[in-house]
Amino acid sequence: ETGVTQSPTHLIKTRGQQVTLRCSSQSGHNTVSWYQQALGQGPQFIFQYYREEENGRGNFPPRFSGLQFPNYSSELNVNALELDDSALYLCASSLERRVFSSGANVLTFGAGSRLTVL
Amino acid sequence: TQLLEQSPQFLSIQEGENLTVYCNSSSVFSSLQWYRQEPGEGPVLLVTVVTGGEVKKLKRLTFQFGDARKDSSLHITAAQPGDTGLYLCAGKPLSNTGNQFYFGTGTSLTVIP
Repeated sequence: ETGVTQSPTHLIKTRGQQVTLRCSSQSGHNTVSWYQQALGQGPQFIFQYYREEENGRGNFPPRFSGLQFPNYSSELNVNALELDDSALYLCASSLERRVFSSGANVLTFGAGSRLTVL
Repeated sequence: TQLLEQSPQFLSIQEGENLTVYCNSSSVFSSLQWYRQEPGEGPVLLVTVVTGGEVKKLKRLTFQFGDARKDSSLHITAAQPGDTGLYLCAGKPLSNTGNQFYFGTGTSLTVIP
């Protein structure tokens, strides 16, 4: 059983640029959630993808967008990067059996992509 | 606005001491989860508590879910350096019809040998 893998692990961008982060979900999982984590803080929910559609979004602007592919892998795209976008971006996969879950399902996290915006 | 507040935010203790981390909210949760995150890694699930008043033990770690399902605590007995990490509580409030899974503000624990 493979875990969640994210790429790249580290990257540096400048303000105004665009970035794409990638996530391969754990085998058998059908749902991917993306989180932004500032240093020493708890992860903040960006959005979730279930069956290739966005299924819930946190308080993030539209320049944060995503995709989920038929193999359940996912991408997070951020346009017009700002300094405050510097953070660890975490992907978590889970197995959801319906659109609205109880929240008791296990989230399996990747190691994250560390983005630095200069 | 943080839905789940954790305290303390930082904790530095000597090996062998006991400690308790608190996770509080004004919202009711169907369940709460506790995660531990080490530097350079993603959070790893420690436990899920589901029933109000439930107590779960994982070796030296004891987790409790409040009777009203609005709060939880994590107690570590005889802390060891391997317990060092960021402890996070997380859950989905009953009032939330979406799938937003909230994490707490985190407690950074350092156990000094």
